[in-house]
Amino acid sequence: NAGVTQTPKFQVLKTGQSMTLQCAQDMNHNSMYWYRQDPGMGLRLIYYSASEGTTDKGEVPNGYNVSRLNKREFSLRLESAAPSQTSVYFCASNLRTQGAPGANVLTFGAGSRLTVL
Amino acid sequence: AQKVTQAQTEISVVEKEDVTLDCVYETRDTTYYLFWYKQPPSGELVFLIRRNSFDEQNEISGRYSWNFQKSTSSFNFTITASQVVDSAVYFCALSDMEYGNKLVFGAGTILRVKS
Repeated sequence: NAGVTQTPKFQVLKTGQSMTLQCAQDMNHNSMYWYRQDPGMGLRLIYYSASEGTTDKGEVPNGYNVSRLNKREFSLRLESAAPSQTSVYFCASNLRTQGAPGANVLTFGAGSRLTVL
Repeated sequence: AQKVTQAQTEISVVEKEDVTLDCVYETRDTTYYLFWYKQPPSGELVFLIRRNSFDEQNEISGRYSWNFQKSTSSFNFTITASQVVDSAVYFCALSDMEYGNKLVFGAGTILRVKS
């Protein structure tokens, strides 16, 4: 079982460049999330998608856009990268169905380390 | 708004010592979930436990135990007889029970276990 797959694992960008982080899950989960992890700040939610066709802002959405391409895929785009976006990005997914076994337990991808120079 | 506080930034212990990681949360919801995740040096996030707000029973799993106290809004995690492999960053998290909900994470506690 692949679980949650993120690409790329590492990326170096120059300020102002754009890029898209890809995420796919094969667990038939309804909800998908993008978090960023910075030292001393834990994981902060950037955007999430509660179901196919919907997306909502999280705690730190500025400078990012997302697309829920289908039930499996949820991409994160940086239109004009800034050094403040240097971080480790995690995609995650979970079951939406309330009361289902394991509901709300996030399964994470391996992370994508992004450096913006 | 929901908030999770892990006041211990970093803890160092010697192997075989017991260690407790503190987690204090804030929420206006009457029903919610609490979680602990482990992030070893390899970087992946590993789910350890989910506890719902209905159930204040302590839980034990091998060397791990969790103490949930609604009266103090705490969900502390104890590792008994720590091992070097326990060295990791540990995150406490909180979510409501709504559909497609979001998890709010604490800042994490770095645990270093020395041999």
